[in-house]
Amino acid sequence: QKEVEQDPGPLSVPEGAIVSLNCTYSNSAFQYFMWYRQYSRKGPELLMYTYSSGNKEDGRFTAQVDKSSKYISLFIRDSQPSDSATYLCATNLKTSYDKVIFGPGTSLSVIP
Amino acid sequence: DVKVTQSSRYLVKRTGEKVFLECVQDMDHENMFWYRQDPGLGLRLIYFSYDVKMKEKGDIPEGYSVSREKKERFSLILESASTNQTSMYLCASSLDERYGYTFGSGTRLTVV
Repeated sequence: QKEVEQDPGPLSVPEGAIVSLNCTYSNSAFQYFMWYRQYSRKGPELLMYTYSSGNKEDGRFTAQVDKSSKYISLFIRDSQPSDSATYLCATNLKTSYDKVIFGPGTSLSVIP
Repeated sequence: DVKVTQSSRYLVKRTGEKVFLECVQDMDHENMFWYRQDPGLGLRLIYFSYDVKMKEKGDIPEGYSVSREKKERFSLILESASTNQTSMYLCASSLDERYGYTFGSGTRLTVV
């Protein structure tokens, strides 16, 4: 079983839709959770990070962590064509010297 | 903002050549990483470094080596390039991995 799993998509939605992107992970010791956005032919950029369970909001983006079910989500409200990218979830353990584990990414297209 | 700069966006090399991929970060980060990214396989960690002259193997170090002579610079070396090393190579740095990485724009290497 992979440590972090994502549906690779592609996911296609109309402009203005609410998008839900999801990951599951296997190790209950993971404490820190991140979402990255990667545009085509670019490096990933950090969107948000959260610690432990709960929600975190940043503009149109909301990250949600449910540690009891080992499930993390990213919601995008009022999606825009500029949100079209691959979204990678990532996680690591408590200590700062544990390497980050990335999911394989979900490809999102927002159609005007 | 932290900048991670990779010296080349696109490279074409011949089988058997020694290849150097350079990465420089400008925010005094201790931690630096090299990943390769391939369709369907996601991000795979090649090598990382937590300090000058220090290096640790990641998940797929075979055929690669690294050098970190200065804190800001982390080089990836392909000792004898092979066609199965054709990939997107991404360098990243971090102050504390719990809060995510900053990635460079990537180098797309083609070995012919």
